[in-house]
Amino acid sequence: GAGVSQSPRYKVAKRGQDVALRCDPISGHVSLFWYQQALGQGPEFLTYFQNEAQLDKSGLPSDRFFAERPEGSVSTLKIQRTQQEDSAVYLCASRERTGNTEAFFGQGTRLTVV
Amino acid sequence: GDSVTQMEGPVTLSEEAFLTINCTYTATGYPSLFWYVQYPGEGLQLLLKATKADDKGSNKGFEATYRKETTSFHLEKGSVQVSDSAVYFCALRREYNFNKFYFGSGTKLNVKP
Repeated sequence: GAGVSQSPRYKVAKRGQDVALRCDPISGHVSLFWYQQALGQGPEFLTYFQNEAQLDKSGLPSDRFFAERPEGSVSTLKIQRTQQEDSAVYLCASRERTGNTEAFFGQGTRLTVV
Repeated sequence: GDSVTQMEGPVTLSEEAFLTINCTYTATGYPSLFWYVQYPGEGLQLLLKATKADDKGSNKGFEATYRKETTSFHLEKGSVQVSDSAVYFCALRREYNFNKFYFGSGTKLNVKP
């Protein structure tokens, strides 16, 4: 596709449920990022992939959060046993190559935990 | 730690008014500075950037100058349009780490005709 695509756009989960959020980066983009944006706040870094390698996961808030990119393309962010504080917009971004180049963001997945 | 502070919104202006959105940062070294814009229903888009002190980033009539001495990167536009209504995020990226942005909390701009 022309841009970064995320699905679903909206997700409502009951507390304790597991969820999986998908990101389709721009084709051929090497770098992929996940950010979490709480209501009224700026995005906060979660994790970074270079191809299939997860090089930085320092922003994942707990071991309930897990991200993968097994073939260096599509990525999935999984949240286990969701809690209300996980409610946020989850943003994915991709970048053509490493280094000081522009990252392109998707529209995000809005997760609401009830 | 590294952080970005930007003025709270919402900011409401009439069309053709002058816009300033303040942004200050805390970081060691010489980070790169960015302004991103988020239009309703869309993803974040890079608006402009500056990578070293005294650089001026500009795009679509918006400007921001990297001021090391005041650790600031204020966004300005001389004459706003209704189509500029959006949320604006100031962000920094560390000098030797291109893989992590630190964003401010965003400033919503409403421009009235």
